[in-house]
Amino acid sequence: QVQLKESGPGLVQPSETLSLTCTVSGFSLTSYSVSWVRQPSGKGPEWMGRMWYDGDTAYNSALKSRLSISRDTSKNQVFLKMNSLQTDDTGTYYCTRDEGGDYFDYWGQGVMVTVSS
Amino acid sequence: DVLMTQTPVSLPVSLGGQVSISCRSSQSLVHSDGNTYLHWYLQKPGQSPQLLIYRVSNRFSGVPDRFSGSGSGTDFTLKISRVEPEDLGVYYCLQSTHFPYTFGAGTKLELK
Repeated sequence: QVQLKESGPGLVQPSETLSLTCTVSGFSLTSYSVSWVRQPSGKGPEWMGRMWYDGDTAYNSALKSRLSISRDTSKNQVFLKMNSLQTDDTGTYYCTRDEGGDYFDYWGQGVMVTVSS
Repeated sequence: DVLMTQTPVSLPVSLGGQVSISCRSSQSLVHSDGNTYLHWYLQKPGQSPQLLIYRVSNRFSGVPDRFSGSGSGTDFTLKISRVEPEDLGVYYCLQSTHFPYTFGAGTKLELK
């Protein structure tokens, strides 16, 4: 069955770089896109960016200068790197299977990231 | 960015009752390909969002027919009939017509 699982550090220092990994199973990264979505506690989700099935990327313009999404298809993994973290980057980060510009049908369990010194 | 406005913020309901949630967008969500990319999600406490309705009115696999979506242009509605305990949580609308994709702030469905 389709599964996605995020992994990464739960605590990041201000101004440091966040690195997260999304490991997928049950589908191919060359057939489906994967998006990253984050959610501050008690607030609505925010779409961050996408790794298209063909290897192209798309980013939320609000984050584009700080964000990079890449993948390793041999390991079924998609990576998120975001630099210059601040306290308002605190929240839960999800990876989702993305029906290529349509809807997000399967989500990982999420990883809570706290930005604090 | 397209602003998605959901109302109400909180929605008390009795089990077995019927409710409607509104989602309005600041721009038309009709894509140049003719589709309208407006979707609905439910986030239960402590869980990830789960897809309920895609492209305005299509129920995702396994979603009961108590859930229905409608609307066009900038005005959309999710209706839930015969509310059950597992329907409680926060409902979000999402538009994927325009970049960047944007979510509503959520409507919390809770027991009266």
